[in-house]
Amino acid sequence: ELHLVESGGGLVQPGGSLRLSCAASGFSISDYHMDWVRQAPGKGLEWVGRTEKKGLIANTRYAAFVKGRFTISRDDAQSSLFLQMNSLTIEDTAVYYCVRGYNGLDPWGQGTLVSVSS
Amino acid sequence: DIQMTQSPSSLSASVGDRVTLTCRASQGIRNSLAWFQQKPGKAPKCLIYDSVSLQLGVPSRFSGSGSGTDFTLTISSLQPEDFATYYCLHYNGYPFSFGQGTKVEIK
Repeated sequence: ELHLVESGGGLVQPGGSLRLSCAASGFSISDYHMDWVRQAPGKGLEWVGRTEKKGLIANTRYAAFVKGRFTISRDDAQSSLFLQMNSLTIEDTAVYYCVRGYNGLDPWGQGTLVSVSS
Repeated sequence: DIQMTQSPSSLSASVGDRVTLTCRASQGIRNSLAWFQQKPGKAPKCLIYDSVSLQLGVPSRFSGSGSGTDFTLTISSLQPEDFATYYCLHYNGYPFSFGQGTKVEIK
């Protein structure tokens, strides 16, 4: 069975940093693009970014709101995905989901909550 | 950037009803569209990808259609477990974007 498990969420002050992790099981992330999607409380889904699987050109692309503050990375050997978030604002408060970028976006992790507050 | 607009934003329907949800892209996205179902407090689940392909394990009462800018998700006979919020997503070039969602409620 395919599983994605996020960790690393929590409470952080505005301007702070947080690093989220995502552990995959049941498949090797080296064969897939991997995405982060977030959802603010009571709001809709928002795509954060994608790291493409290794190939001739393996891009990492972000939504406009990231503005250079977030970095997505991957460790294929450990089948792990990361999201480094810096300069956090209260607007970044959300549940962050790790998702495999295959057949649409599937499967999804259970999400980890990031709360930005003073 | 491509904007995705879903309609209606919410609808009330009864068990057994045929329900059609619409998603429109601000420019052509070929068939690079997926549909997701989300229940309260749960992670989204992908139902349809590439506009018409049913995800493994998804009931056949769900179907998708469309290409270019106009897409639909149809539930042929609404079941109690289908009451949820549905989102579309385009993945035809970066950045990807979701529609704002359609909430399907019990009448």
